[in-house]
Amino acid sequence: DAKTTQPTSMDCAEGRAANLPCNHSTISGNEYVYWYRQIHSQGPQYIIHGLKNNETNEMASLIITEDRKSSTLILPHATLRDTAVYYCIVRPKSGSSNTGKLIFGQGTTLQVKP
Amino acid sequence: EPEVTQTPSHQVTQMGQEVILRCVPISNHLYFYWYRQILGQKVEFLVSFYNNEISEKSEIFDDQFSVERPDGSNFTLKIRSTKLEDSAMYFCASSEGISYNEQFFGPGTRLTVL
Repeated sequence: DAKTTQPTSMDCAEGRAANLPCNHSTISGNEYVYWYRQIHSQGPQYIIHGLKNNETNEMASLIITEDRKSSTLILPHATLRDTAVYYCIVRPKSGSSNTGKLIFGQGTTLQVKP
Repeated sequence: EPEVTQTPSHQVTQMGQEVILRCVPISNHLYFYWYRQILGQKVEFLVSFYNNEISEKSEIFDDQFSVERPDGSNFTLKIRSTKLEDSAMYFCASSEGISYNEQFFGPGTRLTVL
């Protein structure tokens, strides 16, 4: 599984955009980038995923660099409820090695402050 | 909105006792997972399950652990003889597909082994 590197923690002011970076320099062409978050010991929650194009949904935007070695999750208008641990995960798109498992790292603890 | 449910929310047991953690995945999902999170640590993959058999298990998932889908709705994790180090939050997850589908997580069962 490709390894990801994220900052341990970040702060963001309420109402501002939160930009969470992730490095995945060993990602292969067969692997997606996924983002999940975990709010205070609740079950992880899916946010967004992408392969090589930028993606946007109602929760966030995902910007993937052209070489796919890094990505940024953007929460456009962070609220206090966005305070959570954010996990960047790479996993294979298909193939016999893909059993669907998610390998979580330590993630980034995002603190949204009023 | 459909959701994964887990029971009980908190289970306290004596060391050496058997416990069964229960999960009801989302009804049209075909892939099922168990993860655990020891307090203060990262979320760890335990096992993935598809078509009534284990598709992958981690080294944590030893002979003391088993999973079962006894009927069309429940998905259970059994720990045969609990140890103190089994104390953790256990999360069940399910997904519709495997390649690019999000996993939906339940709220977790907190297992405390005394």
